[in-house]
Amino acid sequence: DTAVSQTPKYLVTQMGNDKSIKCEQNLGHDTMYWYKQDSKKFLKIMFSYNNKELIINETVPNRFSPKSPDKAHLNLHINSLELGDSAVYFCASSQGLGQTAYGYTFGSGTRLTVV
Amino acid sequence: QKEVEQNSGPLSVPEGAIASLNCTYSDRGSQSFFWYRQYSGKSPELIMFIYSNGDKEDGRFTAQLNKASQYVSLLIRDSQPSDSATYLCAVGGSSNTGKLIFGQGTTLQVKP
Repeated sequence: DTAVSQTPKYLVTQMGNDKSIKCEQNLGHDTMYWYKQDSKKFLKIMFSYNNKELIINETVPNRFSPKSPDKAHLNLHINSLELGDSAVYFCASSQGLGQTAYGYTFGSGTRLTVV
Repeated sequence: QKEVEQNSGPLSVPEGAIASLNCTYSDRGSQSFFWYRQYSGKSPELIMFIYSNGDKEDGRFTAQLNKASQYVSLLIRDSQPSDSATYLCAVGGSSNTGKLIFGQGTTLQVKP
């Protein structure tokens, strides 16, 4: 049983296309996140949701739109893809928001390549 | 100044040695600190977390926290080639959002 599952694992697409990445967690966690990892392995938060409510919306182009239909799912839709969007996108979940949250459980990642 | 800083390495140690990985952070209000291990092409995996000043041991791993110096470290005793990976330091900031800020990671190479 995969705790945090993302689909697809690989995504190759042309500039200008629109694509979605899906994430589901079966851990019963309240909070889900999207992180972007660039080619230098730097992980940067994009969005977070707690019980379907948007909590964090970092400085991300509005071509990126998250959607959380319920607390177990967090999807990421990207419009008008650009070369610079090429990266690995990780979904993660955690129990709660407070300082005692026991870290994240990450999904396996989606490697997005824009050509 | 970066919010969370790590030496990118690579840090190379012989098998059986102690590997010492370091991390500094800028938000003095930070209260939760994590170490993740990431193998090439895989997702980060939580290996240690620490909230209080001092040492916390789990098997071959020891996390050390010094809030006054804004410094976190991870020691890996009896390093094995299977420990070769990138180690990410992550800090929970002072805002109550669950947000973790990651360092750029230190690549560890354990040579047989």
